[in-house]
Amino acid sequence: KQEVTQIPAALSVPEGENLVLNCSFTDSAIYNLQWFRQDPGKGLTSLLLIQSSQREQTSGRLNASLDKSSGRSTLYIAASQPGDSATYLCAVTKLGAQKLVFGQGTRLTINP
Amino acid sequence: NAGVMQNPRHLVRRRGQEARLRCSPMKGHSHVYWYRQLPEEGLKFMVYLQKENIIDESGMPKERFSAEFPKEGPSILRIQQVVRGDSAAYFCASSPLGRMGGAAAKNIQYFGAGTRLSVL
Repeated sequence: KQEVTQIPAALSVPEGENLVLNCSFTDSAIYNLQWFRQDPGKGLTSLLLIQSSQREQTSGRLNASLDKSSGRSTLYIAASQPGDSATYLCAVTKLGAQKLVFGQGTRLTINP
Repeated sequence: NAGVMQNPRHLVRRRGQEARLRCSPMKGHSHVYWYRQLPEEGLKFMVYLQKENIIDESGMPKERFSAEFPKEGPSILRIQQVVRGDSAAYFCASSPLGRMGGAAAKNIQYFGAGTRLSVL
């Protein structure tokens, strides 16, 4: 059974800092991995999707890496801003399946 | 192109009542997924449907919960005889038909804003 873990559960940093969020998964037979953002009381916004054959994806100040063999992914946020404050969720899809398996998220607070 | 629409956004029910949650997928999408987010927990998969078919219901509780996605109209998640433990945010996602290189091939799911169910 696939399990996804995100560390830390919460993170608070001053504005302008670079930061890394971590995601680990127990079954390396994944199809892809996605990072989402969730704002309080809102739905999920997809940030980055990495196919199992890829090592990383970049979008603006965000960079996500994937090491399938070790079961790890990181989300790097450069030059953090207060608007980045949200919960960040990591989710994987297993080969041959459609459902997403989510981690419990990292609650990020960027202090002005 | 409107996104995934869920209604109602907030639903309050008393114990024992029925809750009906609706999800209209994005235009052109024929795959629908339901996820539940309990307080202070991550999202958990419940069910995956295509038009008129349940494909994977491995995450659905065995009793009181059912889902459908008819040929016409929205997908419905139905909870009978609700209990306080059903209080959660229920999210729907949709994805398009499979085609090589497209969003479906990558299993990109687009999420709605969710329905927050409170059971009194």
